[in-house]
Order: sequence, then structure tokens, then C-alpha cells
Amino acid sequence: SQTIHQWPATLVQPVGSPLSLECTVEGTSNPNLYWYRQAAGRGLQLLFYSVGIGQISSEVPQNLSASRPQDRQFILSSKKLLLSDSGFYLCAWSGTSGSYLEQFFGPGTRLTVL
Amino acid sequence: AQSVTQPDIHITVSEGASLELRCNYSYGATPYLFWYVQSPGQGLQLLLKYFSGDTLVQGIKGFEAEFKRSQSSFNLRKPSVHWSDAAEYFCAVGAGGNKLVFGAGTILRVKS
Repeated sequence: SQTIHQWPATLVQPVGSPLSLECTVEGTSNPNLYWYRQAAGRGLQLLFYSVGIGQISSEVPQNLSASRPQDRQFILSSKKLLLSDSGFYLCAWSGTSGSYLEQFFGPGTRLTVL
Repeated sequence: AQSVTQPDIHITVSEGASLELRCNYSYGATPYLFWYVQSPGQGLQLLLKYFSGDTLVQGIKGFEAEFKRSQSSFNLRKPSVHWSDAAEYFCAVGAGGNKLVFGAGTILRVKS
């Protein structure tokens, strides 16, 4: 069966520091991968999605970037964190055929920028 | 552009009472629709989905949802709520290009 992992689970970082959040998927090949941010009371905002290695689409201009160095690895990064980057970050994957829109979510990373 | 509206930010129901969470979508073609549930500090879990066919779909944990094209709605229902159902619920619509658009969510509180 497929599983999705995110780490770290929680992170407290000072303003101006770098960021690296990692997401990995097991049990599937060539998944579509997604990064979302969830701010308190504001639902889910799609940040990036990827349909293959090195293929990244950005949905919202911001202080963050994403990379997909391997088929089942998706990384969210920042060179200098802002206070507004605080939130709950969720990674998700979906298949590429059949019920390809159905997304499966990881447990999330709680990021607090101080 | 596709959009999803969940009109109720919070809903409180008594344990054992019935539940209906509202979802309205905006989409030009036949939509792909989803309901997800999120417990505090956790990821999202898929409750049910509608792609085509029978407009009443059954999901996990005793939930069901009905697709009504004339009303652009996909409301989530449960006949008898349990305290463990307290969570946040998100409706989503397929937005093309392998993407989903989510509503803002409805927080369900269950009182004993």
C-alpha cells in the first residue's frame, strides 16, 4: 500500500533563516506531488505541484520554492523565512491514471516563524 | 475559474443528531467532487468522492453525499453523529490539470 511521509512534524525557525521540508511517497511510481499551506481558518492553498522529476509548477508567487530531485521526493524550501510563512504545510500525492484527481495527504508540518 | 463555497464556518450538533454540511461549487462541466476530513494537527483523509453515475455516494465512517447538478451542490450528511466526528471538513472540486480547489472548511463541534 502507499504511504506518504513528511518531516519534520513541527519546526520553529527565526525570521530570515532557511527552510527545508521534505515529503516522500512509498508504494507508487511517478505520482503527482503537491505542496499546500493551511493558515488558521483559511482552508488549503496550493503552493506547488509536480508531474515528474524536475517539473515544478508554482501556483502563488511567494518566498518559497519547491524541488523534486527524485520520483517520490518533494522538497519545499526557502532561503529566508518571513513571519507570514508560518502555517501548516501539507504534502499530497495523486496517481496519474484512473482516479487521478484523488489526492492523499501526509501528516503535515507545523511551521512557526518567530 | 472553479471555486467551492462552504457557507458554514462552524456547526455544532448534539451527539446522535443528524448532520448536513453544505458545499456549493462553480464549474462549467461535470465536476469531480470530494469531501475530506481533518482532525486537529493531522493531514486530510478522504471521506468520499463523486465522479459520475449515482448521485448519492457512500463514504467511510457512515457519511454520504448527494450531488445535485441543478443546485451546484454536494452536501455531506450523516444520520447520527458521534463525538469522534468532531473535526474540520473540506469540500473540493477537480480543477483540471490534476489540481483540486478546496473550500474554506467547516468546523464541526459535537456536544454531548
